[in-house]
Amino acid sequence: DTGVSQDPRHKITKRGQNVTFRCDPISEHNRLYWYRQTLGQGPEFLTYFQNEAQLEKSRLLSDRFSAERPKGSFSTLEIQRTEQGDSAMYLCASSLDLRTSEQFFGPGTRLTVL
Amino acid sequence: GENVEQHPSTLSVQEGDSAVIKCTYSDSASNYFPWYKQELGKRPQLIIDIRSNVGEKKDQRIAVTLNKTAKHFSLHITETQPEDSAVYFCAALGDDYKLSFGAGTTVTVRA
Repeated sequence: DTGVSQDPRHKITKRGQNVTFRCDPISEHNRLYWYRQTLGQGPEFLTYFQNEAQLEKSRLLSDRFSAERPKGSFSTLEIQRTEQGDSAMYLCASSLDLRTSEQFFGPGTRLTVL
Repeated sequence: GENVEQHPSTLSVQEGDSAVIKCTYSDSASNYFPWYKQELGKRPQLIIDIRSNVGEKKDQRIAVTLNKTAKHFSLHITETQPEDSAVYFCAALGDDYKLSFGAGTTVTVRA
């Protein structure tokens, strides 16, 4: 499969626990994006990387959220001390390094915080 | 930042009829406007996009129009089929490389 992949697909956790999600972009894509999508809404931008550099972070991303892309390939999104309001679908997308390049989405990780 | 509004939130059409979804955006620097289709439980997939240097683009039964002066763009689906039933999102790419999405339109095609 040459598309964007995400792992895990589903995560159920208890409030206060830490969770980490992984995204593997399309191999030649320099840009990688994280979005959050709640029921009945469009994806909301969280952060993005150009290669290993994190270039932008949304105000939605509290201090409990951190993202990395250490070698410019896969990326991880960690949420510390999860809250029920963190329950959502976390989508990853990747694109070529051109401003108007199509963003290809992964299948998402659905997080449920109990 | 960019703010994208999308209407209607739900749309029910008879098979064979046309469907039109409209979006407005706020950032005049935005120059790329993709449309994504998301089926239940699946990832968003690009169905058509338009860049600010053109006013209209068509791909088979799908067309998109862009009015930069008015800052609005629309998706037109003709000869709708049951497989067109899904949630459609418009988006705009701002000067900051961030895609801002509309809230989505749930399209139901009645057989």
